[in-house]
Amino acid sequence: SYELTQPPSVSVSPGQTASITCSGDKLGDKNVCWYQQKPGQSPAMVIYQDTRRPSGIPDRFSGSNSGNTATLTISGTQAMDEADYYCQAWDSNTAVVFGGGTKLTVL
Amino acid sequence: QVQLQESGPGLVKPSETLSLTCSVSGGSISTYYWSWIRQPPGAGLEWIGYIYYSGSTKYNPSLKSRVTISADTSKNQFSLKLTSVTAADTAVYYCAREVVGPATNWIDPWGQGTLVTVSS
Repeated sequence: SYELTQPPSVSVSPGQTASITCSGDKLGDKNVCWYQQKPGQSPAMVIYQDTRRPSGIPDRFSGSNSGNTATLTISGTQAMDEADYYCQAWDSNTAVVFGGGTKLTVL
Repeated sequence: QVQLQESGPGLVKPSETLSLTCSVSGGSISTYYWSWIRQPPGAGLEWIGYIYYSGSTKYNPSLKSRVTISADTSKNQFSLKLTSVTAADTAVYYCAREVVGPATNWIDPWGQGTLVTVSS
């Protein structure tokens, strides 16, 4: 089955840039989404189709996807961005696959 | 704006069937795909499956033998049944809308989730 791998945790200082990676075999050939989940809340999509931002998502959130790695980048990270982030892709065999999640800490 | 709300028992006994319903407001389920996703306490997300209003379904291969997702367009609801549950099925269960295209998908929005505990 297809697997997506994320680092368990990433730390960033306020105002700096946070990068969260998601790795999978030939992931660049797939479309990747990213979801943000704050404590006690349901996930919310922040990026879809690799680079597209849903309405209402700040432009400090951006995505890229090439080779075996997709990256969620948060520029000018704010305290409110502290959350768990999950990548997700579609696989023809497994259907929807999620990464294990990355806890972003804003120090 | 589409909103989703899960409902169903919060406690299910081992070996029994977990049944949940998702009520959709602000839009018709007769478009898009409609999904169930779960999250065990302190763990990550696991996609369970989806249904298209026509009745077409797709399930996670790891759960396929135990899962049934159905839809009632007259009530604008869709449902999840998971049979022969064990403690490993204890999780927050989310319903959501899923956009599905050729080799692409995304899940948005999500319901608030409901905790189902499997215990005797």
